[in-house]
Amino acid sequence: DVKVTQSSRYLVKRTGEKVFLECVQDMDHENMFWYRQDPGLGLRLIYFSYDVKMKEKGDIPEGYSVSREKKERFSLILESASTNQTSMYLCASSPPLGRIYGYTFGSGTRLTVV
Amino acid sequence: AQKITQTQPGMFVQEKEAVTLDCTYDTSDPSYGLFWYKQPSSGEMIFLIYQGSYDQQNATEGRYSLNFQKARKSANLVISASQLGDSAMYFCAMREAYNTNAGKSTFGDGTTLTVKP
Repeated sequence: DVKVTQSSRYLVKRTGEKVFLECVQDMDHENMFWYRQDPGLGLRLIYFSYDVKMKEKGDIPEGYSVSREKKERFSLILESASTNQTSMYLCASSPPLGRIYGYTFGSGTRLTVV
Repeated sequence: AQKITQTQPGMFVQEKEAVTLDCTYDTSDPSYGLFWYKQPSSGEMIFLIYQGSYDQQNATEGRYSLNFQKARKSANLVISASQLGDSAMYFCAMREAYNTNAGKSTFGDGTTLTVKP
C-alpha cells in the first residue's frame, strides 16, 4: 500500500559528488514537495512543484535543483554535495486545493555527505 | 510570513491518560489550514488531523482532537487514552490557502512525546 516512494532509505556520498534523490507517487497528485529535516530546525522546504515541468523555490533552495518530467516523479538534485547537506530528506505529495489536504510523505532518505 | 511555534520540545504522559501538545501560529491570511503529523522513530511522517480556519467545530479523528482557538491563534492537539505506540515526534503545520496551485506548508520544530507504561 505504498503511495510515495523514495528510492533510497540511506545514502552515503562524497563531497563534490552530484546526488540524485528520487521520489515517485502513485496517487496522481499534482503537488509534490521536497523538505529537509534537521534536529532543532524542523522541516524546511527546499523546492516544490504544482505541475509537470513547473517548479518553485522554497525557503532553502541554494545548492539544490529539481526535475519533474512526469507527474508521478519529482527528483531532487544536489549539484555538488557538501557536508552541510547531510540531513534527512522528505518527499511529499498532495492533491490541489492545497489548504484542505494533508501531505502524504515518503519514508525519507537519510543522506550523509563525507 | 507564516510561523508555527511549538513550545514543548518534549512531553511525557502515562499510558491511558490524555495529553495536549501545544501549537500557536501566526499568519495574515484569513483562510488557511492547520495540520498535525506524527513521526515515529521509523522516520515516516503520518498525517493525523486537519482543521480549516473557517470550520466552526473542532476537528476530531478517533483519539485525536484539535482544540482550535482562532482568536488566540492556537491549534493544540489532544490525544486521549494514550498508548505506547503514540510515542513519537509530533509536528504542527499550517498551509496557506491563496496559493491553491501548491499550498506549501510551514512546520513547527516538533514535540517529542513519550508514553510511559
